[in-house]
Amino acid sequence: AQSVTQLGSHVSVSEGALVLLRCNYSSSVPPYLFWYVQYPNQGLQLLLKYTSAATLVKGINGFEAEFKKSETSFHLTKPSAHMSDAAEYFCAVSGLAGRRALTFGSGTRLQVQP
Amino acid sequence: KAGVTQTPRYLIKTRGQQVTLSCSPISGHRSVSWYQQTPGQGLQFLFEYFSETQRNKGNFPGRFSGRQFSNSRSEMNVSTLELGDSALYLCASSSLSTGRTSTDTQYFGPGTRLTVL
Repeated sequence: AQSVTQLGSHVSVSEGALVLLRCNYSSSVPPYLFWYVQYPNQGLQLLLKYTSAATLVKGINGFEAEFKKSETSFHLTKPSAHMSDAAEYFCAVSGLAGRRALTFGSGTRLQVQP
Repeated sequence: KAGVTQTPRYLIKTRGQQVTLSCSPISGHRSVSWYQQTPGQGLQFLFEYFSETQRNKGNFPGRFSGRQFSNSRSEMNVSTLELGDSALYLCASSSLSTGRTSTDTQYFGPGTRLTVL
């Protein structure tokens, strides 16, 4: 089973609409979850991370994510999409097999229509 | 603070050659990790170095190797290049400043785009 699964390889929203990017994790993974964003021809930038503190995590650029253990989900949301949000988003988990290495989902490409 | 820097940004090699990629972590960061990103396999962990020692290694053949220097700078080397090694190679550094190291943020560089012809 995949450690993290991102549902939807492509998501398209209108500018100003709600952004919802889905991430489900395997219940066997440690609860160290991250969302990263990658703009074209760039590396990865951390949006937010969950580390067993508050279940609702606020990140940069207006993004937030809620850790829901009962649903094994860590979905990323933003109330109002901006054109500048168009990028690829990756959900990741750390701590598998005691290692710090990040294990990434397959990514979701977000398109924002004007 | 300057971010993670990687050189070169772009590289073209032919099959059978070898290549060395360089990564300079954020000042004060002692942990460096390398990842490979391809359209088919996505983002995969290569290895991690801390204090000049390899701490963890991903599931890659022995042609992939790395090292870390006393100033925390790191290099990775790929020998006998294959077409499938074409990828974006990302370096990430972290400070390991907290006791729970799995929660430490890894800061990524812009990557080196390797094309093997």
